Amino acid sequence: AQSVTQLDSHVSVSEGTPVLLRCNYSSSYSPSLFWYVQHPNKGLQLLLKYTSAATLVKGINGFEAEFKKSETSFHLTKPSAHMSDAAEYFCVVTPGYNQGGKLIFGQGTELSVKP
Amino acid sequence: EPEVTQTPSHQVTQMGQEVILRCVPISNHLYFYWYRQILGQKVEFLVSFYNNEISEKSEIFDDQFSVERPDGSNFTLKIRSTKLEDSAMYFCASSDGIATDTQYFGPGTRLTVL
Repeated sequence: AQSVTQLDSHVSVSEGTPVLLRCNYSSSYSPSLFWYVQHPNKGLQLLLKYTSAATLVKGINGFEAEFKKSETSFHLTKPSAHMSDAAEYFCVVTPGYNQGGKLIFGQGTELSVKP
Repeated sequence: EPEVTQTPSHQVTQMGQEVILRCVPISNHLYFYWYRQILGQKVEFLVSFYNNEISEKSEIFDDQFSVERPDGSNFTLKIRSTKLEDSAMYFCASSDGIATDTQYFGPGTRLTVL
């Protein structure tokens, strides 16, 4: 069975400092992995996705994530936080085979950015 | 940029009443989904829909739930007899193909059952 664990429910950083949001996954198959972001009163927006190509994935707004199969991790990073990055971030997995397109979400990590 | 829209943004209903949540997916997309998020819990998959039929549904999606694409643009989720535990944020999503896996989400409808 597939599952996702986000290791921090809340992360607080200062503007201009690096961001690290941690995610571990469990999958019986080669998974596809995603990070989505949700700003207040907005829909879930795709940041980036991994689908068995390059293990280092670059996304929008300077975010990137590295797929590490040996560690079953897919941590999200950004070198320098901006105030506009404050939001809820979700790590998401879907099986590598067709299962009706179901996405499995982590619990979410709320990112706060201090001036 | 095309986006998924949902109406209403907030729905308040009495227990036992029927509600219909509406979504307008991105116009050239073929796959449609509903998810929900109970306050403080994970976003959970409810159902996926393709070619006018359900592709997959979760254990949550029991007989009180139904989905429909009544015309070429809307995608609806009906809850026949609402329960207190149905209170949640409901998200609609669409994608142009399962193979691409990128689902585009709407802003959600917050359902409150009293």
